[in-house]
Order: sequence, then structure tokens, then C-alpha cells
Amino acid sequence: DTEVTQTPKHLVMGMTNKKSLKCEQHMGHRAMYWYKQKAKKPPELMFVYSYEKLSINESVPSRFSPECPNSSLLNLHLHALQPEDSALYLCASSPGAGAQETQYFGPGTRLLVL
Amino acid sequence: DQQVKQNSPSLSVQEGRISILNCDYTNSMFDYFLWYKKYPAEGPTFLISISSIKDKNEDGRFTVFLNKSAKHLSLHIVPSQPGDSAVYFCAASGTGGFKTIFGAGTRLFVKA
Repeated sequence: DTEVTQTPKHLVMGMTNKKSLKCEQHMGHRAMYWYKQKAKKPPELMFVYSYEKLSINESVPSRFSPECPNSSLLNLHLHALQPEDSALYLCASSPGAGAQETQYFGPGTRLLVL
Repeated sequence: DQQVKQNSPSLSVQEGRISILNCDYTNSMFDYFLWYKKYPAEGPTFLISISSIKDKNEDGRFTVFLNKSAKHLSLHIVPSQPGDSAVYFCAASGTGGFKTIFGAGTRLFVKA
């Protein structure tokens, strides 16, 4: 199994909703990432988990809450989002968390906040 | 401030010809560079990488060139095929805890 899966593919939510994005990989990778990508912009790193511990938080607002229940799963809990949070959310994994690791990306969840 | 820049949002090339995608970076601490390819409705997939100790890396039809003094790298695809039509992201990282920084991408159209 050489893929990263993400659910749901699309999500529409109101500003008062609570929802979660899920990411899963079974490649034995020990690092997992959340990126946010707006249209015509590069993917921007949000969080990095290394060996199930949060190692990087790129000053992301607290309305985004990551969780890594085990080495194969990564969640992103969403609460009280703003319309400007609408974007493509990409999950990725890599064998380790070093600088020269190739990241394997999921297809993304396209989020619309109304 | 974008540390990795892809100044051409799109590029159109005839099938069989060479595609050249360019990327510039500003941080001299970057020492590892990658190209990712993205089809619609899919995540980016790794294509090819190069370490700063090299100036060229080749993998089949894909070659990446690195010019450290100019802080510039390019991806050459020869010959281009219609299936190469996708968005190509340049990315850079470095030792010492540098995260991977992505460029905004170049959309390549290969015409049959």
C-alpha cells in the first residue's frame, strides 16, 4: 500500500460547526504533515508530527487542532472556522522527518466554510 | 515573502519537444530541491530531486539542473508527452530544521 488517503474529499461547513478531516497511511512512515493550499498559491505547512509527537506548528490558529492517534492516522479537528479558511487541505507522510525526505501526498480535502 | 518562486504560471509545449520549467529561490541555506507533479483531484507526487552537492540529476525523460550561484533550478522534460500535462511544483528544504517550502506551481500543457 503506497498511498495516503484522505476523507472526506469535499466538506462544506458553517462557521459554528465542528468537523474533522482524516488522513491515513500504511507505508510505515513516521512523519505526517498537514498543508493548506489556496487557489494559485503553494501548499503551506501547518503541522508536522514526528513519531506521533507534534514537532512543528506553524503558528496556526487554535480553531485548527491536529491529532495523531497512532503512527498511521492523522486528524485535523476544525471548529469555528472563518470563510477565509476555505482551501484544499493536503495531508502528507514521509519515512522520517528529516530535511531530505520525500513526502507522499494524499488527494486532499476541499473545504468550503460558509 | 516567497522563498521559492515559479514565475511562469503556465507553459504550453508541443508533443515531442522539450519542456523547461524554472524555479528560483532566495534562501542560500536550502540544500535539497524537489519537483512534484500534480494532476487534478490528486495530491502532488514526487518526480525528481537534487542535492546541492550536484548540479544535475537525470531520471529517464526528466532532468533537473541546479545553478547554486544563481539560486536557480530547472526541470527539463524530453520528449514531452500529453500525459505530462499537469501542475509542477518546485520545493526546497535544508538541514538544521528547515521545512520544505513550495513554489506556487507551473501548469504545463503538452499539445498533441
